[in-house]
Amino acid sequence: RKEVEQDPGPFNVPEGATVAFNCTYSNSASQSFFWYRQDCRKEPKLLMSVYSSGNEDGRFTAQLNRASQYISLLIRDSKLSDSATYLCVVNGITGGGNKLTFGTGTQLKVEL
Amino acid sequence: NAGVTQTPKFRVLKTGQSMTLLCAQDMNHEYMYWYRQDPGMGLRLIHYSVGEGTTAKGEVPDGYNVSRLKKQNFLLGLESAAPSQTSVYFCASSYPAGVTEAFFGQGTRLTVV
Repeated sequence: RKEVEQDPGPFNVPEGATVAFNCTYSNSASQSFFWYRQDCRKEPKLLMSVYSSGNEDGRFTAQLNRASQYISLLIRDSKLSDSATYLCVVNGITGGGNKLTFGTGTQLKVEL
Repeated sequence: NAGVTQTPKFRVLKTGQSMTLLCAQDMNHEYMYWYRQDPGMGLRLIHYSVGEGTTAKGEVPDGYNVSRLKKQNFLLGLESAAPSQTSVYFCASSYPAGVTEAFFGQGTRLTVV
């Protein structure tokens, strides 16, 4: 089983739609969680951290369910500019130190 | 503020050739990482470093070596390039532990023919 799993998509949605992505992780000792955004042929950039209580940043809401070991990202009122790949990232402490593990990403295409 | 800088940005190698990819960060981060990204595979960790003079293997270390002689630099070496190493390579850096964001370089597109 992969450490971090995501549905690769693509999710094709009309502008203005609400779309949700889920991500599951296997290491119950994982300590922190993130969503990154990656545009085509560019480097990943932090979209938002994910906190146990859930957090919101404008149209984006992230939630964490430690009992079920999944993370979600909700995007409301989708814009064309939201088209990108969304990467779920889990940060765990290992014997070698802090290690970030990435999911394969979920591709979102927002259409007119 | 440059952040994380990778050189070169593009490179074509012949099978068996060697090369070194350089990653430099100016944020005084302790941790540095090298990832490769292939279609359908996502970002896979090659090697990482938790501080100057230390390195550790990641998920796919075979065929690569690394060195962290200075805190700000993390070098990735390919001693004898193979076509399977054709990929996009990303370097990243971060502070250690806790809730910490990683910052990425712009990537190096390597083709081995």
